Amino acid sequence: GESVGLHLPTLSVQEGDNSIINCAYSNSASDYFIWYKQESGKGPQFIIDIRSNMDKRQGQRVTVLLNKTVKHLSLQIAATQPGDSAVYFCAERGNEKLTFGTGTRLTIIP
Amino acid sequence: ETGVTQTPRHLVMGMTNKKSLKCEQHLGHNAMYWYKQSAKKPLELMFVYNFKEQTENNSVPSRFSPECPNSSHLFLHLHTLQPEDSALYLCASSFRRGGDYGYTFGSGTRLTVV
Repeated sequence: GESVGLHLPTLSVQEGDNSIINCAYSNSASDYFIWYKQESGKGPQFIIDIRSNMDKRQGQRVTVLLNKTVKHLSLQIAATQPGDSAVYFCAERGNEKLTFGTGTRLTIIP
Repeated sequence: ETGVTQTPRHLVMGMTNKKSLKCEQHLGHNAMYWYKQSAKKPLELMFVYNFKEQTENNSVPSRFSPECPNSSHLFLHLHTLQPEDSALYLCASSFRRGGDYGYTFGSGTRLTVV
């Protein structure tokens, strides 16, 4: 069945280092993928998206990579800052609906 | 603020109470959604409205009753809830059902059922 999952529930990264958060999906028909960031006490916030006809997209300090062969999505955050501490969700769109993963909690070590 | 406003932010209610959650967006979106977020679980889709019409009810118990009077407002009416219904309830909106450009979420209502 369709599922979206994350390899690690928690990730601790030294401030200034790069962070990589991974996500696996199983629906090969999914055509659109999104990364969300959720800070404590807030709703999920859109970070970056990528469509299935691309394999890489860059934003400000963030890069999303899509590997359709192995159904894998990753979010790279460059020069991680304390404000990056949050839970990160991936989402895939299939059958006109978004399905969300459980989330990875990113903790920044000063 | 994201453009999607949810009220109240926090709600404590007894199992026999009746309360309502409100969601409002002025982003020009036509689809609105209710999600339930529990600890260590993925976001659970509850209801979908597209142009004010309910297009999806994800096997949600009848003690949750949605209402969408127009494309900008969405309500979730609650009655005779159970303690396991305690969670963060998130409202989201998108230009159209399916979220071509993703969903915009509100900050949620933290619901505690006692």
